[in-house]
Amino acid sequence: DAGITQSPRYKITETGRQVTLMCHQTWSHSYMFWYRQDLGHGLRLIYYSAAADITDKGEVPDGYVVSRSKTENFPLTLESATRSQTSVYFCASSGTGVEQYFGPGTRLTVT
Amino acid sequence: ELKVEQNPLFLSMQEGKNYTIYCNYSTTSDRLYWYRQDPGKSLESLFVLLSNGAVKQEGRLMASLDTKARLSTLHITAAVHDLSATYFCAVGSGGSNYKLTFGKGTLLTVNP
Repeated sequence: DAGITQSPRYKITETGRQVTLMCHQTWSHSYMFWYRQDLGHGLRLIYYSAAADITDKGEVPDGYVVSRSKTENFPLTLESATRSQTSVYFCASSGTGVEQYFGPGTRLTVT
Repeated sequence: ELKVEQNPLFLSMQEGKNYTIYCNYSTTSDRLYWYRQDPGKSLESLFVLLSNGAVKQEGRLMASLDTKARLSTLHITAAVHDLSATYFCAVGSGGSNYKLTFGKGTLLTVNP
């Protein structure tokens, strides 16, 4: 189906493990974004990408790594997960940079 | 650093009543978004406001933007239970205004 998907939808991992969250969009949008949502903070931008091979830090990038080798994919990696990274992660994409379309989210728990 | 403040953070209202949610931001921007989020769901775009004085309406919701006052409002008219959700405003920044900074959200509960 066309649209923006995230996988996995739910993930439980242990402190110190590496975990990768996947984001895939079928619109060939240039812009892609990763946000985390925590109670009391709204959504905060982690990383964004204006095109393949172009990425930049957002508001809360520490502890995260991104790559974008293909336009349609924007994986987010937690190199060594910590409990403070327990959150709901949303990926978004945009064709023009104006309207952002959000994926269904990944609920990550770090024990 | 861009700050976005929403108020109120919690709003309980009766069906049929009117109310306004406010979104203030700290630095110049002419791009303001309103989103709706239902529990456990993703964000749904409601409005994109791109210029001073912009006003958009959809059903019982109307959003406006005053860039000089750095203020956007989301007005709810004759609330119904189906409007119960969390509403977020977000402000665009960066060279192309596509970096969004979100407010903390307003949890709206509409009671019969």
